[in-house]
Amino acid sequence: DTEVTQTPKHLVMGMTNKKSLKCEQHMGHRAMYWYKQKAKKPPELMFVYSYEKLSINESVPSRFSPECPNSSLLNLHLHALQPEDSALYLCASSQDRGRPQHFGDGTRLSIL
Amino acid sequence: DAKTTQPNSMESNEEEPVHLPCNHSTISGTDYIHWYRQLPSQGPEYVIHGLTSNVNNRMASLAIAEDRKSSTLILHRATLRDAAVYYCILGSFSSNTGKLIFGQGTTLQVKP
Repeated sequence: DTEVTQTPKHLVMGMTNKKSLKCEQHMGHRAMYWYKQKAKKPPELMFVYSYEKLSINESVPSRFSPECPNSSLLNLHLHALQPEDSALYLCASSQDRGRPQHFGDGTRLSIL
Repeated sequence: DAKTTQPNSMESNEEEPVHLPCNHSTISGTDYIHWYRQLPSQGPEYVIHGLTSNVNNRMASLAIAEDRKSSTLILHRATLRDAAVYYCILGSFSSNTGKLIFGQGTTLQVKP
């Protein structure tokens, strides 16, 4: 059982929709991460939050908007996505940046 | 970011030891060697990490070459559940960014 919970597990949305992905952890971790993983490819880092502040944005398009409302919760707001954004979106957390990361099982996103 | 090189795939028989190699000839003095694995339909899972000395934990052992240009992840008795993609990643705790740059990894097949 994963200690990082991601919801929903699956999401299908149109290109004009607005939706959000949610990630929650209750391990007291102060760093949280979003990754994108295409089929049969390794995960790619998108964002890093440390102590609820955005510390790394890997040049991600603005149609992806992260938010960290508190130390346990991380959201990824989606708007006007493209078909190529279809992927598995993984959330992770760690005690602090640089420490081992704990991953959720991801949200599988399909853009129609 | 320093790069790692791993074989694309390896096979093992159940209950036999598995040695997964990783080359990292451009490793810097502050880079730790991290191993994660990703089972089918799951997020990545932390396995082990080390700096200079060999490391053991309940999941695996990490053998690091004296010049640190290569390392080997050792699974002492492979089980069917160990079939996964294994990623060798370099990361510096001193820079403390939290960035994990995943390479292509090694797909391990375990035969009964």
